[in-house]
Order: sequence, then C-alpha cells, then structure tokens
Amino acid sequence: KNEVEQSPQNLTAQEGEFITINCSYSVGISALHWLQQHPGGGIVSLFMLSSGKKKHGRLIATINIQEKHSSLHITASHPRDSAVYICAVRFMETSGSRLTFGEGTQLTVNP
Amino acid sequence: NAGVTQTPKFQVLKTGQSMTLQCAQDMNHEYMSWYRQDPGMGLRLIHYSVGAGITDQGEVPNGYNVSRSTTEDFPLRLLSAAPSQTSVYFCASSYSSGIGSPLHFGNGTRLTVT
Repeated sequence: KNEVEQSPQNLTAQEGEFITINCSYSVGISALHWLQQHPGGGIVSLFMLSSGKKKHGRLIATINIQEKHSSLHITASHPRDSAVYICAVRFMETSGSRLTFGEGTQLTVNP
Repeated sequence: NAGVTQTPKFQVLKTGQSMTLQCAQDMNHEYMSWYRQDPGMGLRLIHYSVGAGITDQGEVPNGYNVSRSTTEDFPLRLLSAAPSQTSVYFCASSYSSGIGSPLHFGNGTRLTVT
C-alpha cells in the first residue's frame, strides 16, 4: 500500500527555535509537495520538489530519494509559523495527478 | 486575480438533500480537483479533471458527481447527502497535471449533514 507518514504529529516550539518536520513514504515517487494550512483553514503550497533542496525565506525543504524521506525546516521560528504542515506525494505507479497526503503536523510556536 | 474561489464557506444539509459546491479559478488552469478533509486523515481525492469535458474518479468518489463544461468551473454535486459526507471540502487547481505544477487551493467549504 502506498503510504505517507509524517512526524511528529504535534510540535510545540519557542520563538526562534529551529524546527524540523519529517515525511516518509513507502515507494518511489515522482514529486513531493509541502503545504501549509493556516488556522483559518486555507491551504498554501510551500514547495514542490523531486530531488535535492529548495529554500524560500526561512523555509528549507530537502528530499532524499534513496531513503524515501523529506524534511521541512523552519529557521528562526515565529508565532506566525503556527499552522498545520502537510506532505503530499505523487507515487510513480499512480496514474494521472493523484496525490497521497500525510495527516499533517500541527506546529505551535509560542512567543 | 482571485485564484481559486469556493462557495459556500459553510453549509448545513439534512440527510437526503442535494446541493452543489461551486469552484471557480481564473488562472486558466487545466487541472482541477476536489478533496475532502476529515479529522485524523489526510486530504483524500474525490474527483479530478485534466481539462474541459474530461473528468475522472479519485479515491473516494461515491456519492459525488462532477462536470467540467468550462476551463474555469468545476462544481461538485451531492445528489443525496448522507451524514458520512460531513467534512471540509477543498477545491484545487494547477496549470497542468505534470510534475512541475504547484497546487492552488480554495478556502474550503465546511459541510455538515444532519
């Protein structure tokens, strides 16, 4: 079964801390997405990657294809980073554009 | 540029009632999709479309119908609502179904079926 697992499920940090959220998947993929869901419910695409590393501001996403693992890092975390972070993958054997989503990681950054 | 617009934001239905969730995008995206989000589960694909006139089933299509008569619009129909369809629904679009296209999401519709 094609699965996506995120860890941790919940994460509480103090402002300024370095944060890492992990995503593991079961079989080969063609793409991986990191999404952010705001407390109000809206979902925003943060990164889409198939190899290597991408950086946008304080956010860094990495992927290790051999280990079937991706990480989302937040440097100098801020209370406004509090949100649910979701990993989604397109498995190679999946037809069309189907994505399989992780359950999400609830991040709370305290001032 | 409005992006992806979903209406309504909230809806309460009684079992057996029908309704349509609207989704429109103004980015000329070919790919559009509907997801439902339930507690303790990841987003699950209901139906998707790779272009006007083309639709296909996702992971959880039962109880839902879709059509894609224009590039801009992708409505989701519940013909006879059931309590199991209580969920938050998201519409998403992307330029193409290819690997290099990020998803753009609507703000969601919270549906309660009593």
